[in-house]
Amino acid sequence: GAVVSQHPSRVICKSGTSVKIECRSLDFQATTMFWYRQFPKQSLMLMATSNEGSKATYEQGVEKDKFLINHASLTLSTLTVTSAHPEDSSFYICSARPRTSGSKTQYFGPGTRLLVL
Amino acid sequence: AQTVTQSQPEMSVQEAETVTLSCTYDTSESDYYLFWYKQPPSRQMILVIRQEAYKQQNATENRFSVNFQKAAKSFSLKISDSQLGDAAMYFCATGNQGGKLIFGQGTELSVKP
Repeated sequence: GAVVSQHPSRVICKSGTSVKIECRSLDFQATTMFWYRQFPKQSLMLMATSNEGSKATYEQGVEKDKFLINHASLTLSTLTVTSAHPEDSSFYICSARPRTSGSKTQYFGPGTRLLVL
Repeated sequence: AQTVTQSQPEMSVQEAETVTLSCTYDTSESDYYLFWYKQPPSRQMILVIRQEAYKQQNATENRFSVNFQKAAKSFSLKISDSQLGDAAMYFCATGNQGGKLIFGQGTELSVKP
């Protein structure tokens, strides 16, 4: 089956620093990747849609200068949390949609837990 | 706009019994998809079942089936012969052609041995 990886799985950083999270589709090409945020005991909230070779589309209320997304290849998207603060602490999940024509299924990565001290 | 509502924060079922998780949705999309995802304690999202809205036939996947009522905008999940490994958080979601998913609040399912 389709596999999506995320790195790192867990990161602790100091307030004011920037953190980069990678999302890779390991055995398929993905023209579209999605980034979600999940707080404890809550649902997944879509942050942005990342399209290969073009600018990401951000959901309402998500600061694009705060959460930088780059989708440089068909297998890699990165999310950079800039100048992180404690309120950015959360679980970040990516998903990837195969390039296969007609595919409507997304495959999710295992998530990255970010803790900002 | 799309919204998804799961009115049951928690559900419990006896092992080997059947349980139904409820989901209602609202969407302005004419062509959309519906999903049930499972999130175990590992927090890895796992696709349970998918339904194309243009199909009238209810999707089934082994012990999992849905009751899709398009007019009522209802999409419930039935789990038959519940197993201990079914215990998890279950999320209902709608998706559009572009792949954008909107999730419900989730239902935490516990399975009693």
